[in-house]
Amino acid sequence: EADIYQTPRYLVIGTGKKITLECSQTMGHDKMYWYQQDPGMELHLIHYSYGVNSTEKGDLSSESTVSRIRTEHFPLTLESARPSHTSQYLCASSESGEDTEAFFGQGTRLTVV
Amino acid sequence: GEDVEQSLFLSVREGDSSVINCTYTDSSSTYLYWYKQEPGAGLQLLTYIFSNMDMKQDQRLTVLLNKKDKHLSLRIADTQTGDSAIYFCAESFSGGYNKLIFGAGTRLAVHP
Repeated sequence: EADIYQTPRYLVIGTGKKITLECSQTMGHDKMYWYQQDPGMELHLIHYSYGVNSTEKGDLSSESTVSRIRTEHFPLTLESARPSHTSQYLCASSESGEDTEAFFGQGTRLTVV
Repeated sequence: GEDVEQSLFLSVREGDSSVINCTYTDSSSTYLYWYKQEPGAGLQLLTYIFSNMDMKQDQRLTVLLNKKDKHLSLRIADTQTGDSAIYFCAESFSGGYNKLIFGAGTRLAVHP
């Protein structure tokens, strides 16, 4: 079973609030990812990290930011939430090397009202 | 560009075989994956196939890859109610950060 955890599982929050979605993994993986998934749609990569102090933007533009101060922790922050940010956010991690398996967290379903 | 397409919904009777299809556009992918997502859960890797293979079997799962037609399928034999989930096809590309391109997912409903 994958040891990657996301909190909260569900979040309903008002417009304009700052939120941080937490993601932690205990597998010692260097690579971590954030995907955004709208209902019935494919996953889109919004951020990834090769390791500590490394963060890059993914294919889908996002107003969120990420940080990687520790190997096991990859939080995603929205400074001012908007209804357009309503979505499911999935965190994943994988070992170094090419084409290694990505392990996913259970996701955070965010609703901004 | 990179694009992965799947049909959105499949309904099968318990005990029958399910076949979930996927087409992709970029022939430079190295691996192709099938992920399963149960309600309220994250994605779980079911199986994968290297792009130079054409078939892989793993217990009840059979993956077929037609590289010429850029078509990937997942066959589940003896489908059970516990197989009800959304199945995502994904392709990956070598180099860098394990870029995975996902399809929109096929919702498999298994009925008695």
